[in-house]
This record gives sequence, structure tokens and C-alpha cells, in this order.
Amino acid sequence: DAKTTQPNSMESNEEEPVHLPCNHSTISGTDYIHWYRQLPSQGPEYVIHGLTSNVNNRMASLAIAEDRKSSTLILHRATLRDAAVYYCILHRDDKIIFGKGTRLHILP
Amino acid sequence: DAMVIQNPRYQVTQFGKPVTLSCSQTLNHNVMYWYQQKSSQAPKLLFHYYDKDFNNEADTPDNFQSRRPNTSFCFLDIRSPGLGDAAMYLCATSRTSGRADTQYFGPGTRLTVL
Repeated sequence: DAKTTQPNSMESNEEEPVHLPCNHSTISGTDYIHWYRQLPSQGPEYVIHGLTSNVNNRMASLAIAEDRKSSTLILHRATLRDAAVYYCILHRDDKIIFGKGTRLHILP
Repeated sequence: DAMVIQNPRYQVTQFGKPVTLSCSQTLNHNVMYWYQQKSSQAPKLLFHYYDKDFNNEADTPDNFQSRRPNTSFCFLDIRSPGLGDAAMYLCATSRTSGRADTQYFGPGTRLTVL
């Protein structure tokens, strides 16, 4: 079962870094860790993904634990536009299955 | 810009009246997905196509059907909508179904059943 566990919600102040945790203790060796986010009234959008090594892109960074049983999505400087539901997903087989995600609130 | 387009954005139908939602893509991706998202819930995969190969999720009701006449278009048919089918329907594409591949989502069609 490609299940992930995330906090239901988190708060952060604007212009501060945000660390969104995800546990995936049942991860298998070939599962990729993907993060998507869904802004209000929009479809989900891809944020970042990785397999074993930490990853950076223009949106965020992904820190993956050495045992791969957990990962952290890092938004380096949150803005009000980052308020969304963030989904941590294990990509297994030929599809992704969304968990409940973390609703991120950004305080001005 | 290459993108995933869903029409209409809002659809109202009557209980039991068949409805079709459409999705098109300019990405030339091989895989197209349909998700159902009810209020305050995560998207739930209904089915997907890899090229012309149809893959139905085990718990997708028979009331939901899909067609993919060509690479660019995919349709979701709800044969007899019930009140419980009111939801946001999301279409997504990916180049392949590989584990490192990402999905691109459309803006969704919000279905209301009266």
C-alpha cells in the first residue's frame, strides 16, 4: 500500500521558510516521491519529485531521508500565493494515488 | 502554451440525465487520466488511458464511462448522474506512466446535479 501520512494543516508566516513533512514508511525501492499542490478552485499542479537524493527546483526543495521513509518539502520563502493543499504521493505502478494532504495557511 | 483544457468549467445536469465532460490536451502525451474530487476531499482516480488502452479503477462505478477517440481528446460520460456524483472532475495527462513522470492537470469541471 503506497500510503503517505501528512499533517492535516500547517501555518506559516509570509516570507518565512516552510517545511512540510511526509511519512511514507511503506515505500518500496522503486517508488518515486512526488509533491503536488492544489490552489483554491484549481487543478493540482506538480511541485517536485525525487527518488533518493535531495532535489531543488524553482518552486521548492525536496529533502529525502536516508532510509527514504520520510521526506520534507521546503518552500524557502512562503508568499500568500503558496496557500494551498500540498499532497505527498508515492508514484508506484502506472498511477498516483492522492492522500489527504496538508492544508498550508500563510499568515500576512 | 501547451496545456490541458477542460470544457465546460461548470456543468449543471438533472438527476438521471446523461452528461459528457470533455478534456483536450496540446502536450501530445500518451496517458490521460480522469479524477473525481468531492468537496474537501483528495482527488480520486476513476480511470486512465495509455494510448488506446483503457484502465478502470476497481471501485469506479459502472455509471462512469470514458472514450478517447484520439491522442488529444478524452471524454467522461456519466450515464445516469445521481446527487452523489456532484463533484469537481479533473483531467490530467502525462507523457508516460513511468514513476518519474509528472502529471499535468486541467482546471476541472464542476458538476452540479439537480
